[in-house]
Amino acid sequence: EIQMTQSPSSLSASVGDRVTITCRTRQSISNYLSWYQQKPGKGPNLLISAASSLQSGVPSRFSGSGSGTDFTLTITSLQPEDFAMYFCQQSYSLPYTFGQGTKLEIK
Amino acid sequence: EVQLVESGGGLVQPGGSLRLSCAASEFTFSSYSMNWVRQAPGKGLEWLSHISSSGESIYYADSVKGRFTISRDNAKSSLYLQMNSLRAEDTAVYYCARGFCSSTSCPAGMDVWGQGTTVTVSS
Repeated sequence: EIQMTQSPSSLSASVGDRVTITCRTRQSISNYLSWYQQKPGKGPNLLISAASSLQSGVPSRFSGSGSGTDFTLTITSLQPEDFAMYFCQQSYSLPYTFGQGTKLEIK
Repeated sequence: EVQLVESGGGLVQPGGSLRLSCAASEFTFSSYSMNWVRQAPGKGLEWLSHISSSGESIYYADSVKGRFTISRDNAKSSLYLQMNSLRAEDTAVYYCARGFCSSTSCPAGMDVWGQGTTVTVSS
């Protein structure tokens, strides 16, 4: 099983800030890394697939980078609707595994 | 609108069974792999099971192997999760999610999720 280490677990930021969330694995997963946003009471929403491909309809202030074992989700110019939980997930091998999550809160 | 709607959750005693359903609409269900993922209260996401588009390939997380069974009926555009020998630690919101393939990677995550159905295992 591929362990996902996501950091930080929580993050306080202000509207307009730039934030970065990281996800690391001990073994290479190539670019089989996805990022999700989840708001309370809702299912997750796929933001980025294949490490850096922005899903249709997702604002361009979201971006993903990385390959191998180190990955980053960056949100530039935070908007009020961006305050939510964020998860990374690997689909390189089964069982699929998720990071522990990052709670992005308003400062 | 592409949609997944889960149903079948509820309160069940330890050792009991439940069958969850996931109804798909507005996409060709038979062309997509599907997954079940759960989220315990206040916790993160846990992948449980995957079924290929045809139903021929099935995989489970160790935590549910031997107790849960995934299946699908492509004619009814429906996904199922039969859950037996339920434990308190199975208490969670259960989501069905569509497998996604990008132009460069497959699989590439899960691109459509339902709203979830809540399962509570308690005496």
